Parts: sequence; structure tokens; C-alpha cells
Amino acid sequence: EADIYQTPRYLVIGTGKKITLECSQTMGHDKMYWYQQDPGMELHLIHYSYGVNSTEKGDLSSESTVSRIRTEHFPLTLESARPSHTSQYLCASSEDYEQYFGPGTRLTVT
Amino acid sequence: KNQVEQSPQSLIILEGKNCTLQCNYTVSPFSNLRWYKQDTGRGPVSLTIMTFSENTKSNGRYTATLDADTKQSSLHITASQLSDSASYICVVSDRGSTLGRLYFGRGTQLTVWP
Repeated sequence: EADIYQTPRYLVIGTGKKITLECSQTMGHDKMYWYQQDPGMELHLIHYSYGVNSTEKGDLSSESTVSRIRTEHFPLTLESARPSHTSQYLCASSEDYEQYFGPGTRLTVT
Repeated sequence: KNQVEQSPQSLIILEGKNCTLQCNYTVSPFSNLRWYKQDTGRGPVSLTIMTFSENTKSNGRYTATLDADTKQSSLHITASQLSDSASYICVVSDRGSTLGRLYFGRGTQLTVWP
């Protein structure tokens, strides 16, 4: 199993709250990603990073923001959560062709 | 439009039986095709990765095939076990960018019954 971690695993939060989803990896990978996945649907890339101080938006428009201050850490922040943000968020890192996924954070916004 | 289509959407088989999952893609240019296993509430775990020149790759009871000419892939599971119950996701990467853009299928939900 890959050394990539996400916290919290489950989060229920009220509308308007600010939240940060944590992602860290111990493999020293430069490339990291955030995906959003709804039940029965494909993963959608929302953010990615080539390395420290490098972040880009992915294919799916997202109101979240990310930062990459350290190689091993790639947190995702929602400034004001809304019910439409309810989803599973998966963090991943990659080296060459292989992409390693974290266990995911299941976010519910009420 | 680059797409990855998987079939069937869901499948139920009895423990010990074999099954085959299908993946058709229109992604171009093509770099590699991956099969992932995703347990409920977990992140996907890689099973196989095949590049253009490979047409078969095995990982234990999992065997993936690739026909780059017809843009089709299959994942064959032999002697299924209860732990094989999961979603199996086909992912195709293009070579058009440094990132190696990934196109995800919606997955086949496999349920193995005792």
C-alpha cells in the first residue's frame, strides 16, 4: 500500500464553514493531484502540482484552492462550504506512469 | 472527444467463477492504459499498466489485455474471491502533455457472492 495519507476520512460540516482537507505523502513525489468523485461516476481532476510552489487547476471547475509549500504536503481548502461540495475527495501522487491514491475524504455539507 | 467507456456497469458472479470486464476508449494520442481496483470508501489501487507495445499483463489472478488498434482493453479475473468485490476502473493516459492527462472510466461494480 502506498504511503499517502488523507485526513479527515469523513467530515460533516455546515454551509459557510471554511475547511481544509489534508494530504501528505512520504514517497518524495513531485507530482500531486486532487480528484473529486461522486458515487458511480468517474474521477475528475480539480487541482494538480508539479512541485513546490507549483499549482494548477484541473479539468473540473472547483471553488477550492490548494497550496504546495512542502513536497510532501498538498492541502485543499474550501473557503465557504456549500451542499454542492458534498463529494469524495481523493489525493494522489505520481512517479513515472504510476499514480498512488490516498484513502479519500468523504465530505458532506449540510 | 476523448472518452473511456466501461461495460458492464455492474456485474454479480459467484465465488470461484471467472469474469471479464471491458474498456473501450477514444483517447488519442495514447500513452498507456491502467486498471485500478477501488474498494468502497477507499482510493483506487493500481492493478496493471500497459503501454502501446504491450498486449497482455498479469497480476496474480488479474490479467489485462490491450488491443491498441481497436482501442479496447479487458480485465479478466480468474477464480474470483469475495475480496474481489469492488469497482474496477479503466484509465487511459495521453502523451500530449507533461502531466500525461488521465481519462477515467466510470468503473464496473463487481460483486462476488458466496
